[in-house]
Amino acid sequence: AQSVAQPEDQVNVAEGNPLTVKCTYSVSGNPYLFWYVQYPNRGLQFLLKYITGDNLVKGSYGFEAEFNKSQTSFHLKKPSALVSDSALYFCAVRDLFNAGNMLTFGGGTRLMVKP
Amino acid sequence: DTEVTQTPKHLVMGMTNKKSLKCEQHMGHRAMYWYKQKAKKPPELMFVYSYEKLSINESVPSRFSPECPNSSLLNLHLHALQPEDSALYLCASSQVLAVNNEQFFGPGTRLTVL
Repeated sequence: AQSVAQPEDQVNVAEGNPLTVKCTYSVSGNPYLFWYVQYPNRGLQFLLKYITGDNLVKGSYGFEAEFNKSQTSFHLKKPSALVSDSALYFCAVRDLFNAGNMLTFGGGTRLMVKP
Repeated sequence: DTEVTQTPKHLVMGMTNKKSLKCEQHMGHRAMYWYKQKAKKPPELMFVYSYEKLSINESVPSRFSPECPNSSLLNLHLHALQPEDSALYLCASSQVLAVNNEQFFGPGTRLTVL
């Protein structure tokens, strides 16, 4: 069975500082990893995905994520946080060998960027 | 058009009412999804349609009835709901039901069952 863990319920960072939102995963086969962001009272918005290839994936709004196979991690990063980045972030995984190939979401991490 | 739209934005219904949620996309996507999301929790998959056929039903109670009239539209019919069904209902779509396809989400319908 596939699973995703986001170990931090909330991450606080000052505007202009780098941010990291952590994600670890467990799958049977090769992972297909995704990051989504959810602003209050809105749906989820796709940020980036790792399918294969370069371990550093660049996405929307200056976000990037690093795939680390040995640590089974896919942490989301941004060099300089903005107050407008404050939102709920979900990591998700799909596994080719999982029945239905459906997305499994982590529990979410609330990012708070303070001025 | 890269948007998934959902109507209504908010819905309040009694336990004896019948209502429907609507979802529409014009991206040519052939996979569409319904999710239920409780506050501060991740979305929970309810149904998946692939090429207008129901592909996955995640053991959802029969008081929720999905329908896919065509490749652009997805409905969720609601009947005899319970207060614990109150949640944000999200629709999503992807190009096809493939493991490497990202899903595009609508803004959701906030449902309150009294």
